Amino acid sequence: EAGVAQSPRYKIIEKRQSVAFWCNPISGHATLYWYQQILGQGPKLLIQFQNNGVVDDSQLPKDRFSAERLKGVDSTLKIQPAKLEDSAVYLCASSPLATYEQYFGPGTRLTVT
Amino acid sequence: AQSVTQLDSHVSVSEGTPVLLRCNYSSSYSPSLFWYVQHPNKGLQLLLKYTSAATLVKGINGFEAEFKKSETSFHLTKPSAHMSDAAEYFCVVMNTGFQKLVFGTGTRLLVSP
Repeated sequence: EAGVAQSPRYKIIEKRQSVAFWCNPISGHATLYWYQQILGQGPKLLIQFQNNGVVDDSQLPKDRFSAERLKGVDSTLKIQPAKLEDSAVYLCASSPLATYEQYFGPGTRLTVT
Repeated sequence: AQSVTQLDSHVSVSEGTPVLLRCNYSSSYSPSLFWYVQHPNKGLQLLLKYTSAATLVKGINGFEAEFKKSETSFHLTKPSAHMSDAAEYFCVVMNTGFQKLVFGTGTRLLVSP
């Protein structure tokens, strides 16, 4: 079974630029998550989708971050404009409905200079 | 709100000696608790989970954890460390309702020959 795919793996941008990350979850997984992991910290949930609807986006900085899940499958996370403090690893995870285990992708490491 | 506290940011052991990674949780009701492992440049992987069944939980790669309600602890142990165990370990609690994971700050396990 193919795992969660993310791209790009690394991205370097200057502050105030925009950036987008892509995630392809495991086939058939209804729930998709985006996490932000700042160096030295545990991952923090940014947004959770169930199919193509948003379940929880309470910790998403909506003035600069946006996310969508196309047709309930792939998802993109965008930052516009980026700030220095957005430097982090952005993790995507997916899970089947009503299960505990989340399957994580390798992440995208963003550096904002 | 539910939370977890990992008591050590770094733990160093020698190969073949026991491993103990400590985690305390805070919850107003019976929690679901997990341990995840993160190897460099790899996605997070579930080691084991506690979901109110047996208090001693066995996971992959010889790891196990014991849920102790009286001590509000969920420490991770392994009888004999292997070099391949060197990684970052996260204690995680799940908020009920929407499968939301709340991560601790992580413990880096270092294994020396």
